Amino acid sequence: KAGVTQTPRYLIKTRGQQVTLSCSPISGHRSVSWYQQTPGQGLQFLFEYFSETQRNKGNFPGRFSGRQFSNSRSEMNVSTLELGDSALYLCASSPILSGTGDTQYFGPGTRLTVL
Amino acid sequence: DQQVKQNSPSLSVQEGRISILNCDYTNSMFDYFLWYKKYPAEGPTFLISISSIKDKNEDGRFTVFLNKSAKHLSLHIVPSQPGDSAVYFCAAITPGNQFYFGTGTSLTVIP
Repeated sequence: KAGVTQTPRYLIKTRGQQVTLSCSPISGHRSVSWYQQTPGQGLQFLFEYFSETQRNKGNFPGRFSGRQFSNSRSEMNVSTLELGDSALYLCASSPILSGTGDTQYFGPGTRLTVL
Repeated sequence: DQQVKQNSPSLSVQEGRISILNCDYTNSMFDYFLWYKKYPAEGPTFLISISSIKDKNEDGRFTVFLNKSAKHLSLHIVPSQPGDSAVYFCAAITPGNQFYFGTGTSLTVIP
């Protein structure tokens, strides 16, 4: 079974631009969660989508948004990029909504650098 | 506000010895705790978990201990192996299924 895939793996943008990241979950998984990883803050939860609906949301500004398609693939969008948005963005898929962590499988991440 | 803290950014241990990774939390509502392992250029992978109704869970060389009164979680790896060298994240989950992660501890096992 193929794992969680994220595209692109690396991205360089400048301040003020917007970016869209993509995540394809494991086949059959309906939940996709997004996380931001930075050295000082560790992994921070952004949001979770299940059956095309946002079910949980972390404490991030409205510049961070996402969506999920009928095939469970998910995209995350960040508008008006700031230098502090430079991070590794991870998505995790799960067969169930808000799994207890042992059902979550992470992708390799997209490394976003904002210049 | 960091609700889950890993105060040691790095740890070095000799092969064959015990590795102890620590994690503290502030929210007494957390009801499930997990440890993840992360290699460079890969996403975190689930390692071991513990429910708040237990104080110990063991899986092979890995044991997680939970001290609710101290709001403290620890992961013991015995014996440590070079392949265990990775970044370890602890995580806690609220009853509303919100995940909170620590900042990670980089473990180096020296052959």
